Amino acid sequence: EAQVTQNPRYLITVTGKKLTVTCSQNMNHEYMSWYRQDPGLGLRQIYYSMNVEVTDKGDVPEGYKVSRKEKRNFPLILESPSPNQTSLYFCASSSWSGSSYEQYFGPGTRLTVT
Amino acid sequence: KQEVTQIPAALSVPEGENLVLNCSFTDSAIYNLQWFRQDPGKGLTSLLLIQSSQREQTSGRLNASLDKSSGRSTLYIAASQPGDSATYLCAVRMRKGGSEKLVFGKGTKLTVNP
Repeated sequence: EAQVTQNPRYLITVTGKKLTVTCSQNMNHEYMSWYRQDPGLGLRQIYYSMNVEVTDKGDVPEGYKVSRKEKRNFPLILESPSPNQTSLYFCASSSWSGSSYEQYFGPGTRLTVT
Repeated sequence: KQEVTQIPAALSVPEGENLVLNCSFTDSAIYNLQWFRQDPGKGLTSLLLIQSSQREQTSGRLNASLDKSSGRSTLYIAASQPGDSATYLCAVRMRKGGSEKLVFGKGTKLTVNP
């Protein structure tokens, strides 16, 4: 079954304690990205990756890091989380093949930083 | 900078009614447009994807149209049911070189009353 998995699904942490949210896809997609969703602001792109070792900033990259060492994994790293990073996070993967396009979103990770 | 607007922000209708959700975008140089459904606290479910060269897509009771030149899309839901209650998100996909950017609207919250 094609899917994007995220872990953990729920996380409560304290300010300054480094954390990593993992994202993994089993479809051999080249493109992966992270979004955050906040009330009144909608979904905004944090970082994206076009392939292994190729990453770039989205609209709201401050306070986040990513890496793409393997095609299937795209972890999101918060080196020093702050309360304004409390949000619902989604990972997505996608691929183009000719004129067809395929995309999947993960189930989301709800992060609370106190 | 691409901006996506969805009107109305919320809509409440009686069961059985046909309805239209609107989405507009400021930059017509899109690769495709996608409609999603999101249930409270849940992930995103893709409903319809329209390539920039297409005018509409249909799936069951759903029909999405795209007028790229005017920067508009509509999602038509026929014979609405209480199970259609959710937030509907419109997103446009921009593509430049190998990069991809998905810009979301803030959504329309639909309530279908029995």
